[in-house]
Amino acid sequence: NAGVMQNPRHLVRRRGQEARLRCSPMKGHSHVYWYRQLPEEGLKFMVYLQKENIIDESGMPKERFSAEFPKEGPSILRIQQVVRGDSAAYFCASSSSGEQYFGPGTRLTVT
Amino acid sequence: AQSVTQLDSQVPVFEEAPVELRCNYSSSVSVYLFWYVQYPNQGLQLLLKYLSGSTLVKGINGFEAEFNKSQTSFHLRKPSVHISDTAEYFCAVSGPNSGGYQKVTFGTGTKLQVIP
Repeated sequence: NAGVMQNPRHLVRRRGQEARLRCSPMKGHSHVYWYRQLPEEGLKFMVYLQKENIIDESGMPKERFSAEFPKEGPSILRIQQVVRGDSAAYFCASSSSGEQYFGPGTRLTVT
Repeated sequence: AQSVTQLDSQVPVFEEAPVELRCNYSSSVSVYLFWYVQYPNQGLQLLLKYLSGSTLVKGINGFEAEFNKSQTSFHLRKPSVHISDTAEYFCAVSGPNSGGYQKVTFGTGTKLQVIP
């Protein structure tokens, strides 16, 4: 049973471009969480999704950030018009009904 | 609301010496507590968790933690560390699972550096 997959592992974008981060949950998991880890900081909750529904997006910045978890396919975290402050590691985690299992993360660098 | 405090940002310790990584939490509801380990450029791996029952929790890699409700602490310990334990350790807290949703709040992490 494969673990949580994230791609790409590393992503470089210029200021103003769009970043799309993908997360494939573990088989059988219908809950996905996205977290952001800024340098020298812990993980900060961004959004919690179930299939086709955003349940809690209280940690998402109000602008430029969006997330989805379609019926088919991976969950996507989308950042429009990236700025240098978006440079961070983005982790997703999946669960079936409790314990969260983390992916290896996507490290976004905005130049 | 819930929060986690890890006062020590870095802890150097000699190989085979014991180590304690401190964690204090605050929450208005009953809590679940976790310790995760993050190796460089990797995701988080669960070391151990406290949900209920015995306050002494044993995890992987020889780590253990003790839940102390009166002191609102959940310190992580290992009696003898190895070089391979060099990593960053995160304490985390969540409220009860609600319909499959478990919102986890993380501390800022403690970097454990094991010195040969």
